[in-house]
Amino acid sequence: DTAVSQTPKYLVTQMGNDKSIKCEQNLGHDTMYWYKQDSKKFLKIMFSYNNKELIINETVPNRFSPKSPDKAHLNLHINSLELGDSAVYFCASTDQPGEAFFGQGTRLTVV
Amino acid sequence: KQEVTQIPAALSVPEGENLVLNCSFTDSAIYNLQWFRQDPGKGLTSLLLIQSSQREQTSGRLNASLDKSSGRSTLYIAASQPGDSATYLCAVGSNDYKLSFGAGTTVTVRA
Repeated sequence: DTAVSQTPKYLVTQMGNDKSIKCEQNLGHDTMYWYKQDSKKFLKIMFSYNNKELIINETVPNRFSPKSPDKAHLNLHINSLELGDSAVYFCASTDQPGEAFFGQGTRLTVV
Repeated sequence: KQEVTQIPAALSVPEGENLVLNCSFTDSAIYNLQWFRQDPGKGLTSLLLIQSSQREQTSGRLNASLDKSSGRSTLYIAASQPGDSATYLCAVGSNDYKLSFGAGTTVTVRA
């Protein structure tokens, strides 16, 4: 049973398109995150939701919009994709102060 | 703002040698600290979680220590094996739900 699952695993798309990445966790956690891992492998937090409420919104272009329909799901929608959006996006969940669990990542390539 | 630094950035050792990975953080008001492993092209696997009230955690050949007052954690891997080759990431959890990552230490264990 996968604890945190993301779809799709790979996403190749053209500049200007709109795309979504979905994330689901079956751990019963209250808090979910989106992280971006750039080409230098550094993980930077983008958003966090706690019980469907946005609690962290880092300096991210407003082309990125998270949506949490329920506490087990956190989706990421990206409008007007740019070359610089190419990265690996990770979803994670936690029940602080417990462990954080990460999904396998979505490798987004914008061409 | 929490800054997390990992030294060294890369480490290459012969099989059987013990590994010492360092993590330092600037704000000692942490909730917990977690060590992850990331294999190339894969997601993050949680290795050890240390709560802010704890001094260390152990799992098999892995031992992680935490000195909150000095803002340091160390991950020890005993008797390294080629299968330990990966990038090791330190993440610091704060009371504001943020999980801040270091840039990682890439370990190569030579057979």
